[in-house]
Amino acid sequence: QSVLTQPPSASGAPGQRVTISCFGSSSNIGGNFVYWYQHLPGTAPKPLMYRNSQRPSGVPDRFSGSKSGSSASLAISGLRSEDEADYYCAVWDDSLSTWLFGGGTKVTVL
Amino acid sequence: EVQLVESGGALVQPGGSLRLSCAASGFIFNKYWMTWVRQAPGKGLEWVANINEDGSEKYYVDSVKGRFTVSRDNTKNSLYLQMNSLRAEDTAFYYCARGDYFGSESYYRRWGHKLGMAVWGQGTTVTVSS
Repeated sequence: QSVLTQPPSASGAPGQRVTISCFGSSSNIGGNFVYWYQHLPGTAPKPLMYRNSQRPSGVPDRFSGSKSGSSASLAISGLRSEDEADYYCAVWDDSLSTWLFGGGTKVTVL
Repeated sequence: EVQLVESGGALVQPGGSLRLSCAASGFIFNKYWMTWVRQAPGKGLEWVANINEDGSEKYYVDSVKGRFTVSRDNTKNSLYLQMNSLRAEDTAFYYCARGDYFGSESYYRRWGHKLGMAVWGQGTTVTVSS
């Protein structure tokens, strides 16, 4: 079981909004930057969000990130079929001195 | 174009060794933290290790401590992962990644290990099986 908790799945119809949560603690999310990645197994993970809420160049503004206390979230608005993928949050943990990934959330577009 | 290309993945017997390489291009390699991440079949992403710009600072996930060694050769723009005493549970797709860069040089020297992975390679497969 991951130290960072994500829902295993999320879904929505095309055009809808989906929000993925990532719950941690004061030693990780509470004190450090959160990153989000989109991944299709066997391919290179794609960075979606740097430092809580900064979109890398090329990532559409349909994707947004936020952080509050020891939790973070990624929102996808205007859901599209190409958004079907696994989504991971990641953050450094000060107590463990390691990087942590959430368990991943599989997004399905209905 | 910023690019990372992993190599060295193979089928190896339990207890064996393997060395993964990651060739970097398109950026100033010796300015960035570098990281290895893996994904076992049917599992999520797992961070394995990272190393600072000059190789003097390294961190590992507990499950590989004492068995894996991350290193780099800045003259060759290359990152390595030496894997010894391999176990079946090390079977995975292994990715190398370049770190995010933020803040001043002094900030990055102090906190670079806390900045995430900004550029990823396509990965290489390691299978540990008899």
